[in-house]
Amino acid sequence: EIVMTQSPATLSVSPGERATLSCRASLSVSSNLAWYQQKPGQAPRLLIYGASTRATGIPPRFSGSGSGTEFTLTVSSLQSEDFAVYFCQQYNDGWTFGQGTKVEIK
Amino acid sequence: EVQLVESGGGLVQPGGSLRLSCAASGFTVSDSYVTWVRQAPGKGLQWVSVIYRDGNTYYTDSVKGRFTISRDDSRNTVYLQMNSLRPEDTAMYYCALQRGGSYSDYWGQGTLVTVSS
Repeated sequence: EIVMTQSPATLSVSPGERATLSCRASLSVSSNLAWYQQKPGQAPRLLIYGASTRATGIPPRFSGSGSGTEFTLTVSSLQSEDFAVYFCQQYNDGWTFGQGTKVEIK
Repeated sequence: EVQLVESGGGLVQPGGSLRLSCAASGFTVSDSYVTWVRQAPGKGLQWVSVIYRDGNTYYTDSVKGRFTISRDDSRNTVYLQMNSLRPEDTAMYYCALQRGGSYSDYWGQGTLVTVSS
């Protein structure tokens, strides 16, 4: 099973600042990686697929990059609605999720 | 508009059974890939099972032999039959539309399963 490791576990950021979240795969997953946002009491919401393609309706302040084993999700200027937990998921070989990064208000 | 609505969760004793339902609208389950993902309280996401458009099914190791995914095309509904439930199966269970066996772009709101005596 491919293990996905996200860092940091918690990221404290002020509104308007940039947030950079990392996701590492134990084996190469090519570009078969997605990012999801989850708020308390809600289902996950797809943000990025194919490592860098924004899903429908996702604002351009969200961007994804990387391939192989190292991936990054960047939120260029955090808005109040962006404080949430973010998960990466590989779908190159089965489907596994990272443990999540919580983005909290600093 | 694509919608998925889960039901069937509840409190069950260890060793018991539950059947979860995922009623779909806005798409046809027989032409799609539908997956179940669970989330234990305060924890991360875990993929559980998927049913492909061709009927093939796949499971995470911890539920193989205990859970069965199926669908009723006439009801446009996907099911997850869960037998021999364990306390570690306690979680919110989400169904989701999986694009071509990859990522999931539509999710239901989930149904909570609690396994406890």
